[in-house]
Amino acid sequence: AQKVTQAQTEISVVEKEDVTLDCVYETRDTTYYLFWYKQPPSGELVFLIRRNSFDEQNEISGRYSWNFQKSTSSFNFTITASQVVDSAVYFCALIYNQGGKLIFGQGTELSVKP
Amino acid sequence: DAGVIQSPRHEVTEMGQEVTLRCKPISGHDYLFWYRQTMMRGLELLIYFNNNVPIDDSGMPEDRFSAKMPNASFSTLKIQPSEPRDSAVYFCASSPLLVQPQHFGDGTRLSIL
Repeated sequence: AQKVTQAQTEISVVEKEDVTLDCVYETRDTTYYLFWYKQPPSGELVFLIRRNSFDEQNEISGRYSWNFQKSTSSFNFTITASQVVDSAVYFCALIYNQGGKLIFGQGTELSVKP
Repeated sequence: DAGVIQSPRHEVTEMGQEVTLRCKPISGHDYLFWYRQTMMRGLELLIYFNNNVPIDDSGMPEDRFSAKMPNASFSTLKIQPSEPRDSAVYFCASSPLLVQPQHFGDGTRLSIL
């Protein structure tokens, strides 16, 4: 069975702090894809990144970075020097190569205070 | 390029009424998805289409829900009769391939009184 767990329901930080959002997944498939989406207070869902199971390279995009570790089935997301505009709910999601549903975690609500 | 377009953005109606939600996917995307988001259940996939054909509707709650995709540029999700527990935000998304990122519309916030 496929499952995504985001154990942190809510995180609150002060602007300029670094913050890491955890994502742990379960799948028996060897080929799968992991995603992060952002849902700001306005409500839309914005795609941030996709990783396939064969690419364990970490990725950095500006203040965002992602750490994919198959050994621990984790795909964590770090925001460096957080800003108020980063306040949102962040979702981790999983889909396996043979199709099926995109499985979302329950989301982590990040609040960045000035 | 235009993103996924959903209408209406908000819908308030009384229990028992028929509700129709509409979606225009991104041109060239072969997959279309309907999701429901609630506080209790999070994001749930209701149904998805490939090339206008429904592939998996196992997430549709019950017979009151139906979805159609008459052509590549239009899909509807219908609830008849509606109930208060159907109140949620309904998202439509599309993607070129099943494992590629899904692009979401702005959602329809549905309130059933």
